[in-house]
Amino acid sequence: SQTIHQWPATLVQPVGSPLSLECTVEGTSNPNLYWYRQAAGRGLQLLFYSVGIGQISSEVPQNLSASRPQDRQFILSSKKLLLSDSGFYLCAWSVVGSPLHFGNGTRLTVT
Amino acid sequence: GESVGLHLPTLSVQEGDNSIINCAYSNSASDYFIWYKQESGKGPQFIIDIRSNMDKRQGQRVTVLLNKTVKHLSLQIAATQPGDSAVYFCAENGVRGYSTLTFGKGTMLLVSP
Repeated sequence: SQTIHQWPATLVQPVGSPLSLECTVEGTSNPNLYWYRQAAGRGLQLLFYSVGIGQISSEVPQNLSASRPQDRQFILSSKKLLLSDSGFYLCAWSVVGSPLHFGNGTRLTVT
Repeated sequence: GESVGLHLPTLSVQEGDNSIINCAYSNSASDYFIWYKQESGKGPQFIIDIRSNMDKRQGQRVTVLLNKTVKHLSLQIAATQPGDSAVYFCAENGVRGYSTLTFGKGTMLLVSP
């Protein structure tokens, strides 16, 4: 069966520090991978998605970037965090004809 | 612009009651809809989906109804349990196909024992 791992679960970082969140998927090949952000009490906003290694689509202009160095690895990064980057970050995967499957998220607090 | 929204931000029910969570969508090109359940501190969990060639689909204790005429989606939960307490999101695939989804803002379901 397929599983998705996301870490860390929580993170507190000062403004201006770098960020790296990692997501890996097991049990499937060539999945579509996604990063979503969820602000408190709000819906999910798509940040990036990838249909293959090295292929990244950015949905909104922002202080973040994404990379996909391996087929089942998706990384969310920032060189310098802003207060507004605080939120709940969710990684997800899908294959053709399947719904999105989410990880358990990373709670990021920028202080 | 196109959007997916929910009528009620919070729904409170008694254990054993049936719950109905509603969702309105405005993108007539959407042909795939999903309901997710999100418990506190966790990622959304897939509940049930429906394609536009159907108007009803049933799962275990859950039923999704799709009314394309009025662009309305609902999730019915039978015999609601305290463990059903969570935020429920509807999502649509919009014009971009199955690769991306647009989510509504969510409805909080509170189940009292």
